[in-house]
Amino acid sequence: EVQLVESGGGLVQPGGSLRLSCAASGFTFSSYDMHWVRQVTGKGLEWVSGIGAAGDTFYPGSVKGRFTSSRENAKNSLYLQMNSLTAGDTAVYYCAREWGSGMDVWGQGTTVTVSS
Amino acid sequence: DIQMTQSPSSLSAFVGDRVTITCRASQSITRYLNWYQEKPGKAPKLLIYATSTLQSGVPSRFSGSGSGTDFTLTISSLQPEDFATYYCQQSYNTPRGITFGQGTRLEIK
Repeated sequence: EVQLVESGGGLVQPGGSLRLSCAASGFTFSSYDMHWVRQVTGKGLEWVSGIGAAGDTFYPGSVKGRFTSSRENAKNSLYLQMNSLTAGDTAVYYCAREWGSGMDVWGQGTTVTVSS
Repeated sequence: DIQMTQSPSSLSAFVGDRVTITCRASQSITRYLNWYQEKPGKAPKLLIYATSTLQSGVPSRFSGSGSGTDFTLTISSLQPEDFATYYCQQSYNTPRGITFGQGTRLEIK
């Protein structure tokens, strides 16, 4: 079964850091571009990071310089290192696989709460 | 950055109705436009990619069209399970830059 499972979410203080993980299974992880997408409760979807199959990374301006995505193909894993977190980063974070220019497989999401 | 504008932001309709949701890009994205369905507490589900290609398993009552900057998602005959929030997403520069529309909430009338 093709599956993505996120982990690592939790409560963190403003200015703190958190590292999310996404474990992939059921497909050749190393062949796919991957993404992180977040959703604030009651709001829309926001793209947070893209990482190519070769490891090249891309970010929107809202997180550039604070978030770093990486992948470890030998472990079928994707990571998102988040630094200098603010309340505005509170959201459910999803990892997603890109296929046919869309994101066809999504994890169940992991919740990040930034609060003192 | 490419901005995506969906309309309407919310929509009420009856089971059996035909509904259309529109998405406009701030610049040409050729046909790099995808549609997702989201239900409460669930991850988004890819419905249509590359403007008009139905993802495997998606019912044929869903269809997409458009090119350049203007795109539409049509549901030909609404079913009870179709009441959800729909998002468009451009992938013109993927994985370099991706943006979603703000969403259209489809409710039962």
